Amino acid sequence: DTAVSQTPKYLVTQMGNDKSIKCEQNLGHDTMYWYKQDSKKFLKIMFSYNNKELIINETVPNRFSPKSPDKAHLNLHINSLELGDSAVYFCASSPWDRDYNEQFFGPGTRLTVL
Amino acid sequence: AQSVSQHNHHVILSEAASLELGCNYSYGGTVNLFWYVQYPGQHLQLLLKYFSGDPLVKGIKGFEAEFIKSKFSFNLRKPSVQWSDTAEYFCAVKDGNNRLAFGKGNQVVVIP
Repeated sequence: DTAVSQTPKYLVTQMGNDKSIKCEQNLGHDTMYWYKQDSKKFLKIMFSYNNKELIINETVPNRFSPKSPDKAHLNLHINSLELGDSAVYFCASSPWDRDYNEQFFGPGTRLTVL
Repeated sequence: AQSVSQHNHHVILSEAASLELGCNYSYGGTVNLFWYVQYPGQHLQLLLKYFSGDPLVKGIKGFEAEFIKSKFSFNLRKPSVQWSDTAEYFCAVKDGNNRLAFGKGNQVVVIP
């Protein structure tokens, strides 16, 4: 009965490769998010989708491309991986209620770029 | 863009001591306020939240937080910590655009 799940949990890859991280939520939420947590544990939002539509796109290199095939899934594709992309990536979801929603987080994907 | 400040990034204390973590934010409009906890190797979990009403909010595991609008603050407290409270604590603020901004976190270590 996992609420927000991500795969893979760990991802080790070489610089220059292309990789994807998948996220799924079974909470019936309309909105999903991707966050990046750096080595100093700082969390920063990258993207947000509401009903498959992009609503937040922070200053993120265009090597990062989110894809939402349906409102229960938000995948993150990263092209030409760089050393600085090493981080933990968290997916989250919430209802689309601007006033009273809270975000539920997935377990995270630890990406290591060598 | 709004910002969230958490001071004293590293906090070390003994079991049964009291804990208070400060959180200040810059957004001047209506906000929703959250404290999340991240135990070692785990994902973020919600400790408590404030949307409206009583500014003193009770959360899980004996935590509480007080929203003081005039000070733009939402400080987290626990009267008596346990070893299992060792974790990273994040304050977060959601603005009217549904954007959640996190502070840099407080790393709390409780010594048995």
